[in-house]
Amino acid sequence: KNEVEQSPQNLTAQEGEFITINCSYSVGISALHWLQQHPGGGIVSLFMLSSGKKKHGRLIATINIQEKHSSLHITASHPRDSAVYICAVRSGGGGSNYKLTFGKGTLLTVNP
Amino acid sequence: NAGVTQTPKFQVLKTGQSMTLQCAQDMNHEYMSWYRQDPGMGLRLIHYSVGAGITDQGEVPNGYNVSRSTTEDFPLRLLSAAPSQTSVYFCASSYSGLWAQYFGPGTRLLVL
Repeated sequence: KNEVEQSPQNLTAQEGEFITINCSYSVGISALHWLQQHPGGGIVSLFMLSSGKKKHGRLIATINIQEKHSSLHITASHPRDSAVYICAVRSGGGGSNYKLTFGKGTLLTVNP
Repeated sequence: NAGVTQTPKFQVLKTGQSMTLQCAQDMNHEYMSWYRQDPGMGLRLIHYSVGAGITDQGEVPNGYNVSRSTTEDFPLRLLSAAPSQTSVYFCASSYSGLWAQYFGPGTRLLVL
């Protein structure tokens, strides 16, 4: 079973700061997901990546397959970015092994 | 499109009662999954389906049954509810195992 560790568990920032959330996993993967869970409970998929880097607006996700590590960066953070950010990995290949293992999440609070 | 819908939003059960949590999606996604989310733990996979008529167990399947008779619907049945099944349940779907997941709004279940 793949172990997924996120750090930090909690993060408080001031508006405008650059944020980094880290995710490490123990076994080789085929894909890694970053999710956002709003205070109301809804979960939204932010990124899915298997190599390199992806950018969407102020969010950037990177992955280093050799080091089994991914980072989620938020530039110019805003109070509306306050949420729980969750890393999940898919270990298997092929459509028959569709199982995700999730980290426990990082609670981000951005103060105005 | 409504996306992924779940009913009910909130349910209280007594120990031993049975019930079905409904999940439906209108995106013609082949992959559907059920997760539970408990405080201090990451999302955990209960059951998943890779298409109509095909289901498989996830990490925590005991006490739950699923079936997938249509592409759109993926109900989760609690056979005999136990307090340990108190949790928030999320249904998710995706086009394939390699695509981003779309989550439903969740069902909060309390078993007394």
